[in-house]
Amino acid sequence: SYELTQPPSVSVSPGQTATIACSGDRLGDNYGSWYQQKAGQSPVMVIYEDWKRPSGIPERFSGSSSGNTAILTISGTQAMDEADYYCQAWDSSTVVFGGGTKLTVL
Amino acid sequence: EVQLVQSGAEVKKPGESLKISCKGSAYTFTNYWIAWVRQMPGKGLECMGIIYPGDSDTRYSPSFQGQATISADKSINTAYMQWSTLEASDTGIYYCAGTYGPGRAFDYWGQGTLVTVSS
Repeated sequence: SYELTQPPSVSVSPGQTATIACSGDRLGDNYGSWYQQKAGQSPVMVIYEDWKRPSGIPERFSGSSSGNTAILTISGTQAMDEADYYCQAWDSSTVVFGGGTKLTVL
Repeated sequence: EVQLVQSGAEVKKPGESLKISCKGSAYTFTNYWIAWVRQMPGKGLECMGIIYPGDSDTRYSPSFQGQATISADKSINTAYMQWSTLEASDTGIYYCAGTYGPGRAFDYWGQGTLVTVSS
């Protein structure tokens, strides 16, 4: 079955840049999306179609894609950005999520 | 504002049946596909399957085929997830999420339904 691989955890100091990668064999053939999930809350889409940012999502969130890797970048990370982040893509008509990355803002 | 509102928390015993719901509002229900996403305690997101309420076209993720049934009633803007025989391993939070269709992202999420299966 198709898998998306993320690092389990990333740590960053406030004001610094956090980068979370997501790799998958066929990511280059499909758009990737990213979701933020804070403790006890539902996921929220922060990036769609590799790099597009929904309205209401701060500009410090950006996405990119290279080959079979999607990347979520948070510039000037704030304490409020501490959360779990999940990448997601489609494999034919099946939805696949990455295992999630816990972002800690130290 | 588009909303997906899910039914409340459930506590069930192993072997019991259950049906949870997800009601859409403030949009044309048949514009969106609805996915059901499981989150087991302390774990990540897993998509169980997805349905297009317009014609009930349903696609299950291979790992969840046969474990539960997804359905929808477009006349009342509601999608459902149903289990005939619950197991303790079904314990978790179940989210519904809306997308314009295969290949697209999930723009909207329900608040989640906590299902606890315990003897």
